[in-house]
Formats: sequence, structure tokens, C-alpha cells
Amino acid sequence: SQQGEEDPQALSIQEGENATMNCSYKTSINNLQWYRQNSGRGLVHLILIRSNEREKHSGRLRVTLDTSKKSSSLLITASRAADTASYFCATGFTGNQFYFGTGTSLTVIP
Amino acid sequence: NAGVMQNPRHLVRRRGQEARLRCSPMKGHSHVYWYRQLPEEGLKFMVYLQKENIIDESGMPKERFSAEFPKEGPSILRIQQVVRGDSAAYFCASSSGGPGTEAFFGQGTRLTVV
Repeated sequence: SQQGEEDPQALSIQEGENATMNCSYKTSINNLQWYRQNSGRGLVHLILIRSNEREKHSGRLRVTLDTSKKSSSLLITASRAADTASYFCATGFTGNQFYFGTGTSLTVIP
Repeated sequence: NAGVMQNPRHLVRRRGQEARLRCSPMKGHSHVYWYRQLPEEGLKFMVYLQKENIIDESGMPKERFSAEFPKEGPSILRIQQVVRGDSAAYFCASSSGGPGTEAFFGQGTRLTVV
């Protein structure tokens, strides 16, 4: 399968804690993107990391990519209740289409 | 710069009717992708189009489903003779193209077949 797989499926943390979710994939990728989806809403693009990059930051988000292990992680620091959402990784290939995993459901408890 | 626009946001069709979902990409984007999300599931790739061309339709059911992205106007995902199993959220994304470009999503069209 070309799609990524997120881990864990569900995560519940207290506000202020850090949240880490992982994405593993099986075939070589061109890039990997992380998205957030609030319940019943559309997807919001968070960050894209290319296969030749190892780490990227955006605000409270930190994404790492380890192509040797075929995995990526998304770290959200100092979580807020508003971060409660599902988070998806999307693996991109040379054909430019990309494939989603089933997502990690994050709940941040105020 | 408006984002990806999808309409309608909600669509109700009776079994056997046709559903037409529209997607206007972001300005300057010529690559469009359609995804389907079943309840409580992730997004499944359906089709990837560039202007006037279908690049990859490997995720699209062979029957009843078709997609187009004409030279002028929005991309259209068409579902003929809808069945209850077609009920899902359909998302469109667009990008400027080329390897490693971000894709931005619309808010989706929620299709309900009754």
C-alpha cells in the first residue's frame, strides 16, 4: 500500500502537554504532508517536508522525517484545547498525487 | 486569494439520481485532486487531473464515477445513479503542480444518498 499509517490511532493529553504522533509508510516518497481536520470540517494543511529534509518547524509544530526508517513524526508543543482534531499524514510520490493514512485523533483536555 | 472552493457543501440525492460536485482550485493552481472520506475513515485518493487531462484515476470506481477539469471552469466530479454507499464527504485539493508542492483542500461536499 502506498498510504501512510498514523500511530497512535487516538491520543488524549492535558492542555499544555506535548503531543507526538507518528506516520509510517512503505515505499519511497517524494514528500510528506501533515493535515489537520476538525470534526466534520475540511482539511487544513499544516506542513510539507520534502524527502531531502529531516526537520521542519512551523510555530508550535515540529515535523521530522527519517527516510531510512520510512517514518515521520508530528510534534505539537504546549497543546491547547483548540488543537483537538484528527491529524493525517499524506505521502506524496513523483506522480504528485498523495495518499492518506487513517489519522490520529487528538483530544486535548482543558 | 480565495482558497479552494467546493460546492455545494451539502447535497442530498435519492438513489438512482445523479450527483455533481464542483471544485474551483486556488488561483494559479492547475492540478486538482479528488478524495472521498467515508464516516470515521481516512481519505481515499480518487483521481488526479490537470487542465483538460486525467493524470491518474486509479482510485476511482470504474462505473458511475467520472471527473473532468475543463480548460475553463471548475473541476466536476460526477456520480451517476447514486447508491447509499456513495454517501461520504468528497474533498477536492489543488496545487500549483510539480513535485513537492503543497496541496490545499476545500471544505468538502457532504453527499447523502437517501
